[in-house]
Amino acid sequence: TQLLEQSPQFLSIQEGENLTVYCNSSSVFSSLQWYRQEPGEGPVLLVTVVTGGEVKKLKRLTFQFGDARKDSSLHITAAQPGDTGLYLCAGAWAGGGADGLTFGKGTHLIIQP
Amino acid sequence: GAVVSQHPSWVICKSGTSVKIECRSLDFQATTMFWYRQFPKQSLMLMATSNEGSKATYEQGVEKDKFLINHASLTLSTLTVTSAHPEDSSFYICSATTGNRQYFGPGTRLTVT
Repeated sequence: TQLLEQSPQFLSIQEGENLTVYCNSSSVFSSLQWYRQEPGEGPVLLVTVVTGGEVKKLKRLTFQFGDARKDSSLHITAAQPGDTGLYLCAGAWAGGGADGLTFGKGTHLIIQP
Repeated sequence: GAVVSQHPSWVICKSGTSVKIECRSLDFQATTMFWYRQFPKQSLMLMATSNEGSKATYEQGVEKDKFLINHASLTLSTLTVTSAHPEDSSFYICSATTGNRQYFGPGTRLTVT
């Protein structure tokens, strides 16, 4: 069974602070995705990283894929209350869309005004 | 962008009855659809892979006779929870693939009383 360790599971910080969420595995990913999920809704894709060492930015969110493609991080700069939500990393080990995704346990993020 | 719908959005049923959940790709054809389950405060867990015109592939620990999956067309997959019990209460989410990307539905909240 291929596992995806995500940390922290819960994080509550003040508005304006920075934070980092980590996603780790002992296996090599063919690709890794980060999602955000609101209560009662399906997950929404934020980014897909494919190449080792890749860095992608989405406004105040920075996503990094490890050189060995076994780990990834999501960094949020100057967090805002609107960033509150469940963040999920998900890995694909082979075949891209042909395989179901393995999700990390998720990070419940609360940004307090 | 690609849109995936689910019906119903939520359903309440009595213990022992069966419930059918539909997953449709609205503007694209999907040879592969996936079914996930998400318990409160937890992440998504892959239940099964649904391939059009063939039998579904179930993940370890998922009872194929309890969770019946039918993928009769390239735009529709159904999940039937048979003889539902309170422990089957969960948020069921489907996804459909096109290219190398999965698009998630909005989820179906099942409550078994």
